[in-house]
Amino acid sequence: SQKIEQNSEALNIQEGKTATLTCNYTNYSPAYLQWYRQDPGRGPVFLLLIRENEKEKRKERLKVTFDTTLKQSLFHITASQPADSATYLCALDPISSGSARQLTFGSGTQLTVLP
Amino acid sequence: DAGVTQSPTHLIKTRGQQVTLRCSPKSGHDTVSWYQQALGQGPQFIFQYYEEEERQRGNFPDRFSGHQFPNYSSELNVNALLLGDSALYLCASSLRPGGKPDEQYFGPGTRLTVT
Repeated sequence: SQKIEQNSEALNIQEGKTATLTCNYTNYSPAYLQWYRQDPGRGPVFLLLIRENEKEKRKERLKVTFDTTLKQSLFHITASQPADSATYLCALDPISSGSARQLTFGSGTQLTVLP
Repeated sequence: DAGVTQSPTHLIKTRGQQVTLRCSPKSGHDTVSWYQQALGQGPQFIFQYYEEEERQRGNFPDRFSGHQFPNYSSELNVNALLLGDSALYLCASSLRPGGKPDEQYFGPGTRLTVT
């Protein structure tokens, strides 16, 4: 069966450092991999998307890599700030165009950036 | 421009009861997906509605049903509530079922507690 795992439930880092979050999946061939941020009591907010034929994507302080051979995505936040503290979710997105965009989410990694 | 709205914010029900949750999609969106997020877990896809029909369904029993209205708003109904139905229920809207992968917006969710 399909399985998606995020490296750890919680990650604490010092302000200014780079946070690296891992997402591994098995028995799945996603067309896209998405990363979301979720704050307590709020819905997920879309951050970045990377396609299966892309190796790396950047947006401001965020960087995502996607290795379909290793079945792994890495999510980096550079120059981290306390405001980056949140739960980060990765989600696999199937290829079927025209059909429902049924995302499969990991359980998330709770990031805390210490001042 | 209003984003995705959900009501109520919180709800407490007793085992065996029935509940109805409501969602209004982002302006201009015509497709609504529902997700269940248990504490400490990622969201799980329940089903998606487009053109007032259920288009795709995740691995949820028939106790979970829905409806979409002509104005694109949607309801999620859960019958015969179980303790395990306690979760954050998220609504996500998009333009068409297979719309752009980075244009799915989540609402703030409804926190359902079953006692």
